[in-house]
Amino acid sequence: LAKTTQPISMDSYEGQEVNITCSHNNIATNDYITWYQQFPSQGPRFIIQGYKTKVTNEVASLFIPADRKSSTLSLPRVSLSDTAVYYCLVGIHGSSNTGKLIFGQGTTLQVKP
Amino acid sequence: DTGVSQDPRHKITKRGQNVTFRCDPISEHNRLYWYRQTLGQGPEFLTYFQNEAQLEKSRLLSDRFSAERPKGSFSTLEIQRTEQGDSAMYLCASSPGQWDTDTQYFGPGTRLTVL
Repeated sequence: LAKTTQPISMDSYEGQEVNITCSHNNIATNDYITWYQQFPSQGPRFIIQGYKTKVTNEVASLFIPADRKSSTLSLPRVSLSDTAVYYCLVGIHGSSNTGKLIFGQGTTLQVKP
Repeated sequence: DTGVSQDPRHKITKRGQNVTFRCDPISEHNRLYWYRQTLGQGPEFLTYFQNEAQLEKSRLLSDRFSAERPKGSFSTLEIQRTEQGDSAMYLCASSPGQWDTDTQYFGPGTRLTVL
């Protein structure tokens, strides 16, 4: 399974755009890239998923270069409520048929006023 | 709100006691997962059900742990003879189960403290 590397922590200010990059050099051909968000004392929440190029939804964008060895989660105009841990997951889907998720340590994003 | 629910939300027990947690998935979701999360770490996979069948168990799931999903709906996770190392947040998630890429929807978790 592909291993992911992402920064342990990041700081930002309200209204700024935040980009969190995840490295996954061993990503397999049929792997998807998925990001989850987790607030304290809550279960993780799906943010976005993509395979290549760019995916955008109402809360975030996901940029994936052609070699797919990294991906960047972009959060536009963050607010204090975006303070959370963000997990990049790769190499789960299609590799085991169970769909189980393998989380790393994630990136703790602290948004300041 | 018809999301994933877990009961209880918090459980404090003494070492050696048995505890049981319940998870109610989103209606008609075929897949149900249990994860464990300790402080500062991401969730770790424990076990997975496709309907009522338990199809995979992590090596983290020792003999003291047992999970069931008797009618393919709710699930229970029992820990026998609890140890202090079992203290963690136990998370349940469900997905429709049609595709491996299906989004998993997590419950709020049950926080276990073993004294």
